[in-house]
Amino acid sequence: GAVVSQHPSRVICKSGTSVKIECRSLDFQATTMFWYRQFPKQSLMLMATSNEGSKATYEQGVEKDKFLINHASLTLSTLTVTSAHPEDSSFYICSAILGTGGSDTQYFGPGTRLTVL
Amino acid sequence: GQQLNQSPQSMFIQEGEDVSMNCTSSSIFNTWLWYKQDPGEGPVLLIALYKAGELTSNGRLTAQFGITRKDSFLNISASIPSDVGIYFCAGRDRGSTLGRLYFGRGTQLTVWP
Repeated sequence: GAVVSQHPSRVICKSGTSVKIECRSLDFQATTMFWYRQFPKQSLMLMATSNEGSKATYEQGVEKDKFLINHASLTLSTLTVTSAHPEDSSFYICSAILGTGGSDTQYFGPGTRLTVL
Repeated sequence: GQQLNQSPQSMFIQEGEDVSMNCTSSSIFNTWLWYKQDPGEGPVLLIALYKAGELTSNGRLTAQFGITRKDSFLNISASIPSDVGIYFCAGRDRGSTLGRLYFGRGTQLTVWP
């Protein structure tokens, strides 16, 4: 149990285009999902908290108009990087919380490698 | 935001040796988690700790939630080559919303055969 998938696993796009990344909880429902960004040899940086049925909560410094998050169902959250630029190239990872009652255990997806040319 | 101090930053050991790494926080935490990340993959949960003093094992891995609630350690016994990877500690402090985790900078483990 507690499997989180991401699609695509890697994407290469031209500067100025938009890219959508999907995050799915395969065997459980996730009211809350999280989106992280990770640069080489660095730790995970939380970008935003995705809440099913409501607006995402963005971390300070993350542009909500550039990184659009939609959490339309209890098993799917999407991150769209709009008008991508080379500096947006990174490893994007989502996670989901399994369980209720205050459990903080997050399960991560396998990540999406974005390369913007 | 909250910054976790994770050490050591990297370790180079020989197969069969034991490994220890730790994390400290500046505030009291309610949850400590340890993850392992392989290159190009997402982090995989190793051990979750929810109670001060809790000592939990997962195979050759043992982790403890410090009594002060401001630290945690992870031990790996009898290391093997597949233990290679980056180990992250993560935790939640009392002021955080549910699920909001803070991460350490990671410990890069290299195991020589």
